[in-house]
Amino acid sequence: EVQLVESGGGLVQPGRSLRLSCTASGFTFGDYHMSWFRQAPGKGLEWVGLIRSKPSGGTTEYAASVKGRFTISRDDSTSIAYLQMNSLKTEDTAVYYCSRGPRAYDYWGQGTLVTVSS
Amino acid sequence: DIVMTQTPLSSPVTLGQPASISCRSTQSLVHSDGNTYLSWLQQRPGQPPRLLIYKISNRFSGVPDRFSGSGAGTDFTLKISRVEAEDVGVYYCMQVTQFPFTFGPGTKVDIK
Repeated sequence: EVQLVESGGGLVQPGRSLRLSCTASGFTFGDYHMSWFRQAPGKGLEWVGLIRSKPSGGTTEYAASVKGRFTISRDDSTSIAYLQMNSLKTEDTAVYYCSRGPRAYDYWGQGTLVTVSS
Repeated sequence: DIVMTQTPLSSPVTLGQPASISCRSTQSLVHSDGNTYLSWLQQRPGQPPRLLIYKISNRFSGVPDRFSGSGAGTDFTLKISRVEAEDVGVYYCMQVTQFPFTFGPGTKVDIK
């Protein structure tokens, strides 16, 4: 059974950093691109960024709103994708989801809530 | 960026009756590989998104056949043939043809 479990969320002050994890199981993690998405309270869905599979280069893409502040990485040996979030802003407050790609985001985790507030 | 719009934004439906949601993109969603990467997701209250349809019309595993997708280019439609109580939620179209991936604003489906 495919499972994605996000963790690492919490309350953080503006300007600080946080690292989220997405732990995968039930499939060959290294074969898939992984994306992060987010949903601010009461709002719609927003794509945050993607990391390609190693066979596809392992490169990353980011939304303009997070480029230069957020970094996605992966550890295929442990089936974990990471979202390193630096210089956090109040507008980054959201539930963060991971999902596997590249073209049909078929499984989603339950999400982890990040609250950026002083 | 490709902007996705949806109509209606709210759809009160009678149980057992059909529902239809339209999604339009500001650019063609046909990828250079010939595929059109338009998906539909359902988000029930308090739940994560769930994939219903990918590549316009392909139902994901376990999705009831009352859900169907159609369209081409820049105009797409999700249809629910007979709405059931469990279909209440917000429906999003999403394009993954071009970066940045973008979503429609969502259509809230509830029961009259």
